[in-house]
Amino acid sequence: KAGVTQTPRYLIKTRGQQVTLSCSPISGHRSVSWYQQTPGQGLQFLFEYFSETQRNKGNFPGRFSGRQFSNSRSEMNVSTLELGDSALYLCASSLQLASGGELFFGEGSRLTVL
Amino acid sequence: QQQVKQSPQSLIVQKGGISIINCAYENTAFDYFPWYQQFPGKGPALLIAIRPDVSEKKEGRFTISFNKSAKQFSLHIMDSQPGDSATYFCAASKEGNTDKLIFGTGTRLQVFP
Repeated sequence: KAGVTQTPRYLIKTRGQQVTLSCSPISGHRSVSWYQQTPGQGLQFLFEYFSETQRNKGNFPGRFSGRQFSNSRSEMNVSTLELGDSALYLCASSLQLASGGELFFGEGSRLTVL
Repeated sequence: QQQVKQSPQSLIVQKGGISIINCAYENTAFDYFPWYQQFPGKGPALLIAIRPDVSEKKEGRFTISFNKSAKQFSLHIMDSQPGDSATYFCAASKEGNTDKLIFGTGTRLQVFP
């Protein structure tokens, strides 16, 4: 059974640009959550999608957005990139809502903003 | 009230020793407490989880101890091995439609032979 796939794995952008990250969940999983991981800050919750609906959102500015498609694949977008957006962005899928079940994480997309 | 505080930030243990990582939470509504393990270059993976109806859960060398009144829970790794060297995250949530899984800031564990 294939795991969670995130693309691209690495990318470098400059300030002011925008970026789109993609996540393909495990087959059959309907929930996709996104996290930002930085040293010292741990895993910061961005948002969760379940059946194409955003179920929850973290405390990030509106520059961070996401969506989920009918096949459960998800994308997140960051517009007007800032230096502080440099981080590992992790996607996780789960059978049920993330709050009560096991999350299966991808290996992440490492974004560097210059 | 949504925070999960984790300590220590880093931990160095000799092979065969006991590794202890502590977490504290504020929201008394939380009822699901998982621990995730992350190796370099990989995403976190569920290690063990507990719900507040029990005070301890053991899986192999890994044990979660839960103190509901103190709003604290901890991970104990017995007979620590170099292969346990990883970053460990505690987390907490309230099961339901609108809650989210809140992670601690992580503990980097290094086990030396």
